[in-house]
Amino acid sequence: GNSVTQMEGPVTLSEEAFLTINCTYTATGYPSLFWYVQYPGEGLQLLLKATKADDKGSNKGFEATYRKETTSFHLEKGSVQVSDSAVYFCALSDQSGNQFYFGTGTSLTVIP
Amino acid sequence: DAGVIQSPRHEVTEMGQEVTLRCKPISGHNSLFWYRQTMMRGLELLIYFNNNVPIDDSGMPEDRFSAKMPNASFSTLKIQPSEPRDSAVYFCASSLLGGDTQYFGPGTRLTVL
Repeated sequence: GNSVTQMEGPVTLSEEAFLTINCTYTATGYPSLFWYVQYPGEGLQLLLKATKADDKGSNKGFEATYRKETTSFHLEKGSVQVSDSAVYFCALSDQSGNQFYFGTGTSLTVIP
Repeated sequence: DAGVIQSPRHEVTEMGQEVTLRCKPISGHNSLFWYRQTMMRGLELLIYFNNNVPIDDSGMPEDRFSAKMPNASFSTLKIQPSEPRDSAVYFCASSLLGGDTQYFGPGTRLTVL
């Protein structure tokens, strides 16, 4: 079946540090892959997505590359800011687009 | 454009009472999803609808939970009777049918005393 496994948190970084949050997936066919972000007290917001192998999604300085050979979609940012403190969810949707599978979320805290 | 709208944003009720959560999806979207988020279980899909028809309700925890979508612009999630273990944040999300991106509402924080 389909599933997503992401790095457990919490993660605490100093401002301007490099961020990597690992995400691997199991899926049949050709899923789309996503990173969602949840700021305190808010709903999930789409951060970036990639719909096919080798695609790179990017937004707000965050990037993730769809790696079919390693079934991974790791989230990276070169220099984090305090405002990036949030919970990050990796997700995939199956080929029908009807079923979404979310990881457990990784909490990130960035300290000044 | 208005996003997904949920009401109420916060609900505090006593055990045994009926609770109704409401959701208005993004106009034009024809898939709607209800999720529950807790510290223990993370984000769980409860039920989803396509074109107002329930497709998969296998995530609904028990018969106390029910969901309806009487038209394309409105859905409810009802808990009757409520129990303290139902305390959670409930999210509604919508998407285009077959579309690969879901858009989430701000959530309803439910506390059952």
